[in-house]
Amino acid sequence: SQQGEEDPQALSIQEGENATMNCSYKTSINNLQWYRQNSGRGLVHLILIRSNEREKHSGRLRVTLDTSKKSSSLLITASRAADTASYFCATVRKTNDYKLSFGAGTTVTVRA
Amino acid sequence: DGGITQSPKYLFRKEGQNVTLSCEQNLNHDAMYWYRQDPGQGLRLIYYSQIVNDFQKGDIAEGYSVSREKKESFPLTVTSAQKNPTAFYLCASGQGRGMYTEAFFGQGTRLTVV
Repeated sequence: SQQGEEDPQALSIQEGENATMNCSYKTSINNLQWYRQNSGRGLVHLILIRSNEREKHSGRLRVTLDTSKKSSSLLITASRAADTASYFCATVRKTNDYKLSFGAGTTVTVRA
Repeated sequence: DGGITQSPKYLFRKEGQNVTLSCEQNLNHDAMYWYRQDPGQGLRLIYYSQIVNDFQKGDIAEGYSVSREKKESFPLTVTSAQKNPTAFYLCASGQGRGMYTEAFFGQGTRLTVV
């Protein structure tokens, strides 16, 4: 079963606009991670936020975490054509294991 | 160069055959993972391993088998019991107990049943 579920499934925006996608999960977590996947390639890690953190920034990326609602959001500001990709959230459970579970992803298309 | 390598990039299997997908990492990571991705979908966990000679079933382990005899290697065998094996397979590795840090992914193996 998928631990994380992203919303929306697909997003189309104009270059320069911001893109926001959300992730909801079911069980208590140790941390939540966001990844990007270009078509037909492996995943690339973007940012990790721990359960005791509420917000994190990395360049044009901003991630928030609300553990009371079991949800996270990823904001990409001033989007570029190169941001066109699928974005996935992944969670590591609170229990002491290594299980890394992914959601279904959000496909982002940035139009020039 | 440090990294995680999957081979082959493309693999074709006849029905009823077993095939083995290779995954090697030189990052000295303890944890390794196998995921399956179907077109337009997310990643589903097949097997994962926290340490040499130990591994756990993920969410869709039926029809697959793994071994972890060496820290750097985590091969996945797709057996004839897997009824719909055509998919994109991704291997990943990570370090730190509880996966407190990022996972690194290979470039994937695309398996097609012919």
